[in-house]
Amino acid sequence: KQEVTQIPAALSVPEGENLVLNCSFTDSAIYNLQWFRQDPGKGLTSLLLIQSSQREQTSGRLNASLDKSSGRSTLYIAASQPGDSATYLCAATTGGGNKLTFGTGTQLKVEL
Amino acid sequence: GAVVSQHPSRVICKSGTSVKIECRSLDFQATTMFWYRQFPKQSLMLMATSNEGSKATYEQGVEKDKFLINHASLTLSTLTVTSAHPEDSSFYICSADKNPDTDTQYFGPGTRLTVL
Repeated sequence: KQEVTQIPAALSVPEGENLVLNCSFTDSAIYNLQWFRQDPGKGLTSLLLIQSSQREQTSGRLNASLDKSSGRSTLYIAASQPGDSATYLCAATTGGGNKLTFGTGTQLKVEL
Repeated sequence: GAVVSQHPSRVICKSGTSVKIECRSLDFQATTMFWYRQFPKQSLMLMATSNEGSKATYEQGVEKDKFLINHASLTLSTLTVTSAHPEDSSFYICSADKNPDTDTQYFGPGTRLTVL
């Protein structure tokens, strides 16, 4: 059974700082790994999707990497802004049927 | 775009009543939709996979007679929480596959259920 863990659980940084969020998964036989953003009381916004054959994906100030062999993914946020404050979730797709297993999330607060 | 809506966004009900939550794909057809539950400070847990025209597949530990899922069309799936109890209070989120080949799910905004 796939288990996905994220560290840290919470993170507070000053505006402008670069930061890294970590995601680890126990079953390396994944189809892809995704990073999502969730604002309080809201649904999910997809940020980046990395296919199992890829090593990284970039979108604006966000860069996600994937190392299947070690069961790890990182989300790098450059020049953080207060608007980046949210909970960030990673999710691995394994097995058939496009089922996602979500991590525990990292709650990020970017302060002025 | 790929927009998924949920209705209602928030519902409060008395213990013992049933509540229906709708999940719609507004600008695309979705052969498969997924239902998740999220308790406070916790991550999303998959409850069931809903396939158009067939019975839903439930995850281990999810009671299929309590959480009724109907996927009658390619744009609508419904989740009915039957005989709701306070422990069913949670944030319910659906997602829809726009295209199975892309492995991309589009998520609804969620429904906050509070059972008194």
